[in-house]
Amino acid sequence: GAVVSQHPSRVICKSGTSVKIECRSLDFQATTMFWYRQFPKQSLMLMATSNEGSKATYEQGVEKDKFLINHASLTLSTLTVTSAHPEDSSFYICSAISGLNSPLHFGNGTRLTVT
Amino acid sequence: KQEVTQIPAALSVPEGENLVLNCSFTDSAIYNLQWFRQDPGKGLTSLLLIQSSQREQTSGRLNASLDKSSGRSTLYIAASQPGDSATYLCAAHSGNTGKLIFGQGTTLQVKP
Repeated sequence: GAVVSQHPSRVICKSGTSVKIECRSLDFQATTMFWYRQFPKQSLMLMATSNEGSKATYEQGVEKDKFLINHASLTLSTLTVTSAHPEDSSFYICSAISGLNSPLHFGNGTRLTVT
Repeated sequence: KQEVTQIPAALSVPEGENLVLNCSFTDSAIYNLQWFRQDPGKGLTSLLLIQSSQREQTSGRLNASLDKSSGRSTLYIAASQPGDSATYLCAAHSGNTGKLIFGQGTTLQVKP
């Protein structure tokens, strides 16, 4: 089945630093990738939609200058949390889709802790 | 704006019981509806995908139904096992963007 690899799985960083999270589709070309954020015991909230070769579309309330998304190829999207603060601590999950009516496949998530 | 609601929020059953998880959505103009499983601290595993033209999908002990007119989907788990304990999320795929809108999830505990 389709596999999405997300790296790193856990990261601890100091306040003010930047963190990059990678999302790769391993066995299919992902026309679109999505980035979600999940707070403890809550559901997934879509942050942004990323299409290969174009700028990401951010959901309302998500700061695009803080959460930089790059989708340079059909198999790789990155999310960079810039100048991270403790309130950015969360579980970040990426997903990828090969076509509009195809299933969405998720990475295993990245647990970000900002101290 | 699509909103997805799942009931109940939590469910505890003894092993062997059949159970139903409910999902409702406000906008019936969906492309498909997908059910996921999430174990604590882990990512999501896709369980079943129901296209808008379909009524149900089955995989092993799992059966998911879709009723677009009433804005509802159910996930039926037969002969539940302790290994089924997890959070189950439904998500509606609305519009032509590929975006999924998630419900809050139902946390299931199956007791041996």
